[in-house]
Amino acid sequence: QQPVQSPQAVILREGEDAVINCSSSKALYSVHWYRQKHGEAPVFLMILLKGGEQKGHEKISASFNEKKQQSSLYLTASQLSYSGTYFCGTEFQGGSEKLVFGKGTKLTVNP
Amino acid sequence: GAGVSQSPRYKVAKRGQDVALRCDPISGHVSLFWYQQALGQGPEFLTYFQNEAQLDKSGLPSDRFFAERPEGSVSTLKIQRTQQEDSAVYLCASSLFGQVIYEQYFGPGTRLTVT
Repeated sequence: QQPVQSPQAVILREGEDAVINCSSSKALYSVHWYRQKHGEAPVFLMILLKGGEQKGHEKISASFNEKKQQSSLYLTASQLSYSGTYFCGTEFQGGSEKLVFGKGTKLTVNP
Repeated sequence: GAGVSQSPRYKVAKRGQDVALRCDPISGHVSLFWYQQALGQGPEFLTYFQNEAQLDKSGLPSDRFFAERPEGSVSTLKIQRTQQEDSAVYLCASSLFGQVIYEQYFGPGTRLTVT
């Protein structure tokens, strides 16, 4: 039931773009994206509800494909501050009232 | 205006000892979640409170784990007779409303090492 994130790791140069995917085998009600820097608390990025919604947050945006039960996080013109591990948390349809997180995607942005 | 705080930040316990981990959520937040995060993994759900009511404890690994939030604010996660596999970072998160679709604010975590 744990969502699958891909890729596991990505290395970018500052200014490059990246896409992180999160796929579920179960029908989703919402997808949550968080970023965690080493030794720190996860920080909220955005929530997407079922319906194919796309949201944006500065140069970070995300989409939710209900047909595929997949969400993608888009990071454009990456900055050094984007480095960290990105987690998707999924809420399954049926109101489970809890998030199931993926294993994370480690993003490194180099100068 | 402070965020979620957790104490202690680090805890070393000998195998078999009991430990208590504290979480102070953001004032007024209805929901409180506990997660366990192993090294290199995502947070794994342990339990969920809405005010003082524990609505879901399906993620607690064994009956050695117990959580409470008696007055609907501060929460304590207690682990009895700690085992080496309990070593992990324990994260607490709170949310303003009583549904999981809202943003969760995480604390810095307590790193538990069982020797």
